[in-house]
Parts: sequence; C-alpha cells; structure tokens
Amino acid sequence: SQQGEEDPQALSIQEGENATMNCSYKTSINNLQWYRQNSGRGLVHLILIRSNEREKHSGRLRVTLDTSKKSSSLLITASRAADTASYFCATDAGNMLTFGGGTRLMVKP
Amino acid sequence: GAVVSQHPSRVICKSGTSVKIECRSLDFQATTMFWYRQFPKQSLMLMATSNEGSKATYEQGVEKDKFLINHASLTLSTLTVTSAHPEDSSFYICSADPRTSYGYTFGSGTRLTVV
Repeated sequence: SQQGEEDPQALSIQEGENATMNCSYKTSINNLQWYRQNSGRGLVHLILIRSNEREKHSGRLRVTLDTSKKSSSLLITASRAADTASYFCATDAGNMLTFGGGTRLMVKP
Repeated sequence: GAVVSQHPSRVICKSGTSVKIECRSLDFQATTMFWYRQFPKQSLMLMATSNEGSKATYEQGVEKDKFLINHASLTLSTLTVTSAHPEDSSFYICSADPRTSYGYTFGSGTRLTVV
C-alpha cells in the first residue's frame, strides 16, 4: 500500500542547518500529511496540507504541495539534534493513509 | 485530545502461541481503525482496515486467519497474531482518524518478538 517515494532515504546534517525532504505520490489526494517517528516509537503528526493549499508553516516546519507534479517537500529550518528521527509523508485519498518510504534524518550536534 | 492508546508496548512470545494487541481511542469514537506493520528501517505497510461491527478489510498478501482483527466497539480494535512464528516479529502500529484538522492519530506501537 506504499504509494509515495521519499528522497533522500537518509540525510545527515549539522545542527543549525536546514533539512529538506521530498515526497512524490501517484494518485489524486485529499490531503498530504507529514509524520515524525523516533526510533522504535509511534508516529507523531507534524503537519497536514490540503490539496487546495500550496504552502503551510508550523514553527520551524515549512511544507509545500504541488499537485500538478504530485510532490511535496518538508523543510526543517535551524535543525537541532533533537530533530533526529525518521520522517514520513502520507497521502490521504479519503479513506486511509498511504505512506512513503521515509527519510532518516540525523542532525549532528 | 484525539489519543489512541495501544497495548502492550512490547511482547515476547514463544513460537506457536497467540498474541493479542489492543488499540483504543480514548476521547473519540472510531468506526474505522488501521493496523500497520513496520520492519526495521522501513516504512509502515497497511495490513488491514478494521471496521466496527463488520469484517475487517485486509490488504493483499495479509493472511486473514493469521492476523485476526476484531472491532467490537467504537473505541476498541484488537489484532491477534495467531500461531506466531519468528518471521512475525515486527513493530505493529494502529491508527484512527479523529476527524480533526490534525491528521490521523497513531498508537505508540507494539514490538512483537517471537522466539
């Protein structure tokens, strides 16, 4: 049921740098959501962007959505070591979520 | 608000035994819940959609008789791994949609180890 692809699969940056993760999907969607998962834990919802929205901000997070290209990006600005986690995009076509492969982000102090 | 509680968080069982995992929506009603499986360093793969009062919908390749799902109330869904084998060892996560603007809510996951 994995619809999307994320890149990069892994990203290593220094604290203070920005991290950008990209997500592509295949079918029409109602919204796209980004989640964070710390190792061995459940998922935490970060941000939801609807199909008629192009950009959304939440704190240090900035999400864009381009429905013509079926792609989204998540930007984390001024990264911190505590941002180290896996990040997943998930598309909602109306009745369930379908996840991308995830990006493993490591932020070095 | 919109909390999903999943229990147990960790379980170790012997091959051949069955394990039940519970998923509860604490402050909202969920007619539908979702069960995912996640292998190390991989994404979440949807196993089945649990429907209150009716049969679950299983994704292709998921054995219905091995992964029994019961959704007997609007706040509780259970996943039972029957006759567990070491290859069933994985991280199982449930989720539900609380119909807010904040996306789906996930349980904290259950790490199953079959020895």
